[in-house]
Amino acid sequence: GNSVTQMEGPVTLSEEAFLTINCTYTATGYPSLFWYVQYPGEGLQLLLKATKADDKGSNKGFEATYRKETTSFHLEKGSVQVSDSAVYFCALRGWSNDYKLSFGAGTTVTVRA
Amino acid sequence: DTAVSQTPKYLVTQMGNDKSIKCEQNLGHDTMYWYKQDSKKFLKIMFSYNNKELIINETVPNRFSPKSPDKAHLNLHINSLELGDSAVYFCASSHANEKLFFGSGTQLSVL
Repeated sequence: GNSVTQMEGPVTLSEEAFLTINCTYTATGYPSLFWYVQYPGEGLQLLLKATKADDKGSNKGFEATYRKETTSFHLEKGSVQVSDSAVYFCALRGWSNDYKLSFGAGTTVTVRA
Repeated sequence: DTAVSQTPKYLVTQMGNDKSIKCEQNLGHDTMYWYKQDSKKFLKIMFSYNNKELIINETVPNRFSPKSPDKAHLNLHINSLELGDSAVYFCASSHANEKLFFGSGTQLSVL
């Protein structure tokens, strides 16, 4: 079945540091890939997505590129802020008519001032 | 004007009790979901309804029963609560299988 494996946390960084969270997936066919973010005390919200190979999703300074050859969708941000402290989830939808979104285990990121 | 609202936000109850969590969305979406998030933040889908029809029903004890009276509501009823049911339960909605909009969660503590 479909599954997502993401880097275990927690990750603690200083402000303006570079952030990378690794995500790899297992799926048949051509999945769509997502990063969701959960700020403290809130529900998840979509951060970015990519629906086909070599697509790059970007939002709020975050980027992730859909790499089919390495089955990866790593999240990066060049200069983090304290407000980026959150839990980040990589997710996968298996095919175009599939309503099921499979989430990774989540990576907790804390940015210190 | 909250998009996906669920109540209550906190629910503390004794083992063996029956409880319900309510969810409403005002986005006009046709699909709603229930997810369970454990203490390690792992998120797992439980149920999904599309136009009031059950389309996803994961391996969940039959003590959990979703009910969708209309497209804007998806409630979760839990019978005979157990300690292991303690978690944060998230409701979400989407238009078809597009991006999900989540509620802010219901923290259930079973004592």
